[in-house]
Amino acid sequence: DAKTTQPPSMDCAEGRAANLPCNHSTISGNEYVYWYRQIHSQGPQYIIHGLKNNETNEMASLIITEDRKSSTLILPHATLRDTAVYYCIVRPIIQGAQKLVFGQGTRLTINP
Amino acid sequence: DTAVSQTPKYLVTQMGNDKSIKCEQNLGHDTMYWYKQDSKKFLKIMFSYNNKELIINETVPNRFSPKSPDKAHLNLHINSLELGDSAVYFCASSAGPLGKYFGPGTRLTVT
Repeated sequence: DAKTTQPPSMDCAEGRAANLPCNHSTISGNEYVYWYRQIHSQGPQYIIHGLKNNETNEMASLIITEDRKSSTLILPHATLRDTAVYYCIVRPIIQGAQKLVFGQGTRLTINP
Repeated sequence: DTAVSQTPKYLVTQMGNDKSIKCEQNLGHDTMYWYKQDSKKFLKIMFSYNNKELIINETVPNRFSPKSPDKAHLNLHINSLELGDSAVYFCASSAGPLGKYFGPGTRLTVT
């Protein structure tokens, strides 16, 4: 399993961009980078994923370094509702299933 | 519209009992999962079914038996409940490499 390293916690001011880093130096060529978040007392929520190229959707942007050993999730205009634990996960697809292993993640607090 | 739903939301029961948790997804996904989140908030995969076929079984005790009557449903039956089974159980579904959609969770408390 490719391991990921994330800071345990981060703070960000409301309205500013939140940049969440993730190191995955042992990632292999067939492994995707996924980001999920879990708001208190809710189920995890898929945010975005990527393989090599940077990705953007309505929730966030994912920047993957050229060597793929690290990535950054960007929430462009953070709101109080973005307060959650954010998980960076790297895994291959196995027979149509994603065997995601959740670490401790980064607890992001958005401050008013 | 609820994408992934679970019932019940809360379940309190005594040791030794048998209980079931139901999960349904209306996303048309082929793959469904059960995850367990313990008191330390670690999320661990338990099972995965693809088109009603078991493809991931993460060395879960055989007291846990998933059943998939069709690809929209994945139920979890637990026999002889133990104190250590207390956790939040999440159902999820996915299609290919796209992200997983998780249900709201079932908080199981074994007394």
